[in-house]
Amino acid sequence: DAKTTQPNSMESNEEEPVHLPCNHSTISGTDYIHWYRQLPSQGPEYVIHGLTSNVNNRMASLAIAEDRKSSTLILHRATLRDAAVYYCIFNFGNEKLTFGTGTRLTIIP
Amino acid sequence: DTEVTQTPKHLVMGMTNKKSLKCEQHMGHRAMYWYKQKAKKPPELMFVYSYEKLSINESVPSRFSPECPNSSLLNLHLHALQPEDSALYLCASSQGRPLLVVEQFFGPGTRLTVL
Repeated sequence: DAKTTQPNSMESNEEEPVHLPCNHSTISGTDYIHWYRQLPSQGPEYVIHGLTSNVNNRMASLAIAEDRKSSTLILHRATLRDAAVYYCIFNFGNEKLTFGTGTRLTIIP
Repeated sequence: DTEVTQTPKHLVMGMTNKKSLKCEQHMGHRAMYWYKQKAKKPPELMFVYSYEKLSINESVPSRFSPECPNSSLLNLHLHALQPEDSALYLCASSQGRPLLVVEQFFGPGTRLTVL
């Protein structure tokens, strides 16, 4: 199974940037990196995905290390609504997403 | 409409009951999924349907029986469940093949309790 390593929990102050790390040392050259988040009492929600280059969208940025063995999800200005469990996943372009244990992000007002 | 709906929101059933969970999407997606999530654990994939055909079964016990009657609907039939099957059951959908690296849209889940 595709295995990622993330810190169990992180805290950040509101309106400050948040950097959520993920290690995926067994990733292969064709595996994509996905990030999802799960807000309390909701289903997971797609955040962003990438292959090799850094990616930006309206929710976040994804910075991928040159060797692709790690990546960082960047929330540029955290709000209370960003408090969630963030999951980093890698897979080879198929429907199967294997969720790791994720990082529980707490935002401090 | 970018919503996946699931009914019921909550379900309590006995070990001898037969019940069904329902999932619906109207985004034209051709891949649909069932996940199981125990408390404080990540979601675990159970089944994937692609173009209404079962494409992935993650060795799920036969007391869980999925059905995809059409491209918008996904059911999960439950029979003779055990208390350890109590969990949040999540449905998701995505555009499907040939587009694989696309986002999955998740529903809010059905919270199942087996007594």
